[in-house]
Amino acid sequence: DAKTTQPTSMDCAEGRAANLPCNHSTISGNEYVYWYRQIHSQGPQYIIHGLKNNETNEMASLIITEDRKSSTLILPHATLRDTAVYYCTPHNAGNMLTFGGGTRLMVKP
Amino acid sequence: DTGVSQDPRHKITKRGQNVTFRCDPISEHNRLYWYRQTLGQGPEFLTYFQNEAQLEKSRLLSDRFSAERPKGSFSTLEIQRTEQGDSAMYLCASSRLAGVLQETQYFGPGTRLLVL
Repeated sequence: DAKTTQPTSMDCAEGRAANLPCNHSTISGNEYVYWYRQIHSQGPQYIIHGLKNNETNEMASLIITEDRKSSTLILPHATLRDTAVYYCTPHNAGNMLTFGGGTRLMVKP
Repeated sequence: DTGVSQDPRHKITKRGQNVTFRCDPISEHNRLYWYRQTLGQGPEFLTYFQNEAQLEKSRLLSDRFSAERPKGSFSTLEIQRTEQGDSAMYLCASSRLAGVLQETQYFGPGTRLLVL
């Protein structure tokens, strides 16, 4: 299983961009990078995923380095409701998601 | 609300009792996953079904854990002879293939188990 490394915690001011890094240097060529977040006591919420190209949806943007060894999730205008634990996980179809410890993002007023 | 539902949301039981949790996936999803999450950790994979077939169960924590998906729709996870170490959040996720390699899993709200 590929392993990921994420900062344990990060702070962000409300209204500013939150940039959450993830190192996945052992990801295999056919694995996508998936990002989920988990707000206290709830199930993980899917945010975005990508393979090689940068991706954007209504929730966030995902920047993947050319060598695919790392990625950054960007929340362009963080709000207090974005306070959560954010997980990145490599994944391909038919396999389990492998979660590490994630990054605890605290958005402050 | 992702459309995946789990019941009950909370369960308190005494050590040694059996418990059963139910998961109802998103209706068109043919894959269903169970995960367990202990405090301060990320979710940990337990088992997975494609339709009614259980394709991976080697990660179930012991032979006290079993799961079924009899008609390829809802699934149940049973823990027999519960132990205090079984206290955790049990999460269900469902998915369907979108392309050869893409598969997004959507999680339910989880069942929080406390074993006294």
